[in-house]
Amino acid sequence: EVQLVESGGGLVQPGGSLKLSCAASGFTFSGSTMYWVRQAPGKGLEWVGRIRSKAKSYATACAASVKGRFIISRDDSKNTAYLQMNSLKTEDTAVYYCTRQVVVGTSWLDPWGQGTLVTVSS
Amino acid sequence: QSALTQPASVSGSPGQSITISCTGTSSDVGAYNYVSWYQQHPGKAPKLMIYDVSNRPSGVSDRFSGSKSGNTASLTISGLQAEDEADYYCISYTTSSTWVFGGGTMLTVL
Repeated sequence: EVQLVESGGGLVQPGGSLKLSCAASGFTFSGSTMYWVRQAPGKGLEWVGRIRSKAKSYATACAASVKGRFIISRDDSKNTAYLQMNSLKTEDTAVYYCTRQVVVGTSWLDPWGQGTLVTVSS
Repeated sequence: QSALTQPASVSGSPGQSITISCTGTSSDVGAYNYVSWYQQHPGKAPKLMIYDVSNRPSGVSDRFSGSKSGNTASLTISGLQAEDEADYYCISYTTSSTWVFGGGTMLTVL
């Protein structure tokens, strides 16, 4: 069974840092592009960023709203993707989901993890 | 990159059909056939319903279908059922090599 499990969420003060993890199982993680998406309380989904596979040089891309503050990485030996969040703002408060691109060059993002809540507050 | 435009809400009676639109620009929806749709029930993770404009993954009911014309993609749900009541989101790849979501549409089954 293909599964994604996020962890690492919690309460952090504005200006602080937090690192989220996305543990994958049931598929060839090393060949997959991994995505991060967030959802602020009561709001819609927002694309955060993605990291491609080793074959694509681990290329990353991020939304303008987090560029320069968030870093996406991966450890293929641990089947895990990461989202390092720095200089956190109150508007970064959200549930953070990870998902995978099932086939490269498609919009097929599936499945999604259960999400992990990040709360930025003093 | 501005969010794609979706109606805030749509509604329909059981058995009816509804369509949710997702309007973007020539830099996103109009540029590629990389539009997918997600269903989200309260407190749950999003679930893929349609990918690449009109492809339905296995396990998704054939009551769900997708299409695109110009800068607007659409999700149609036929034979509405109570369990279809949820939020629906579209997402599109962009010419900036990023992705952008729609604002979401709340579907109410009357």
